[in-house]
Amino acid sequence: KQEVTQIPAALSVPEGENLVLNCSFTDSAIYNLQWFRQDPGKGLTSLLLIQSSQREQTSGRLNASLDKSSGRSTLYIAASQPGDSATYLCASGGGTYKYIFGTGTRLKVLA
Amino acid sequence: GAGVSQTPSNKVTEKGKYVELRCDPISGHTALYWYRQSLGQGPEFLIYFQGTGAADDSGLPNDRFFAVRPEGSVSTLKIQRTERGDSAVYLCASSPGQHSPLHFGNGTRLTVT
Repeated sequence: KQEVTQIPAALSVPEGENLVLNCSFTDSAIYNLQWFRQDPGKGLTSLLLIQSSQREQTSGRLNASLDKSSGRSTLYIAASQPGDSATYLCASGGGTYKYIFGTGTRLKVLA
Repeated sequence: GAGVSQTPSNKVTEKGKYVELRCDPISGHTALYWYRQSLGQGPEFLIYFQGTGAADDSGLPNDRFFAVRPEGSVSTLKIQRTERGDSAVYLCASSPGQHSPLHFGNGTRLTVT
């Protein structure tokens, strides 16, 4: 059974700092991994999707990497801004295409 | 274009009652997912549809929960004999294909009193 863990659970950083959010999964037989952002009281917004054959994906200030062999993914946020404050969730996509989510990292970027 | 729409946005019901939660996916999206999320937790998988059929319903907690997608578009999650433990935000997501990003609605907050 796939389990997804995110560390840290919460993070507070000053504006402008580069930061890394971590996601680990127990079953390396995944098809893809997605990173999402969730604002309070809202649904999830997809940020990046990495296929199992890829090592990383980039979108603007965001870069996500995937290492299937070690069961890890990281989300790198460059030059953080107060608007980046949200909960970030990763989800592993398995053989039946159901996505298993971690519990998220609550990020606060201080102005 | 329109995103995933979920109605109602909020639902308060009494223990033991029946509720239906509706999801309108993005037009043309063949994959549809239901999740539920409790406070401070990540979304918990309930059921996945590919077209009209439930490809994976392994996350439905018990037989009080049932979901349909009769025409391969709109889906309804049905909960019978609601219990206080069913209180959560129920999220729906759709996707154009099995290797594509998920698009989530804003969810239905269900409160069972």
